[in-house]
Amino acid sequence: GQQVMQIPQYQHVQEGEDFTTYCNSSTTLSNIQWYKQRPGGHPVFLIQLVKSGEVKKQKRLTFQFGEAKKNSSLHITATQTTDVGTYFCAGTTSGTYKYIFGTGTRLKVLA
Amino acid sequence: GAGVSQTPSNKVTEKGKYVELRCDPISGHTALYWYRQSLGQGPEFLIYFQGTGAADDSGLPNDRFFAVRPEGSVSTLKIQRTERGDSAVYLCASSRSGLNTEAFFGQGTRLTVV
Repeated sequence: GQQVMQIPQYQHVQEGEDFTTYCNSSTTLSNIQWYKQRPGGHPVFLIQLVKSGEVKKQKRLTFQFGEAKKNSSLHITATQTTDVGTYFCAGTTSGTYKYIFGTGTRLKVLA
Repeated sequence: GAGVSQTPSNKVTEKGKYVELRCDPISGHTALYWYRQSLGQGPEFLIYFQGTGAADDSGLPNDRFFAVRPEGSVSTLKIQRTERGDSAVYLCASSRSGLNTEAFFGQGTRLTVV
């Protein structure tokens, strides 16, 4: 079945450093969404990417969708302590509404 | 309400018992998802409703799990003969129309089977 892996599993950064998490799917995706989950909280939607090679920015966050629509990345510039949490990608394939979540990357930011 | 509401927030039950978990989606959202999340893992898809019908129930682990959404709004996830392995946080999410729309998650129900 479809699998979505994320690397790294954990990342500790010093406040102000950059951070990147990578999402890789075993199958071609029709679209991909990114979520952030704070410790003890629920996933919160960040963004959706649909087009091959698409790049979207939200303030310090940059999201990319690969040309083959099998991978994606989230890059945070100059991390802040408020960025702490686990970042998940979730992808769906053509003809289905089922979103498969990735394994997640847990980010810790040291002040 | 303003967001997705799930009740109860916590449920402790004995092995073998029956439980019902409720999800009240955002008003007007036709799509509703149930996920299960174990500690340190990503949400695992269980079932997707579009309106009243289960459009995709391929994630339900076995026939002990069943979900309904009789009027296209509130949904109930039902688990029969609970097992300790069913312990997890059960998350509900709703969206305006399903594909290509933002999903809003509830706070989840933490189920513990003892």
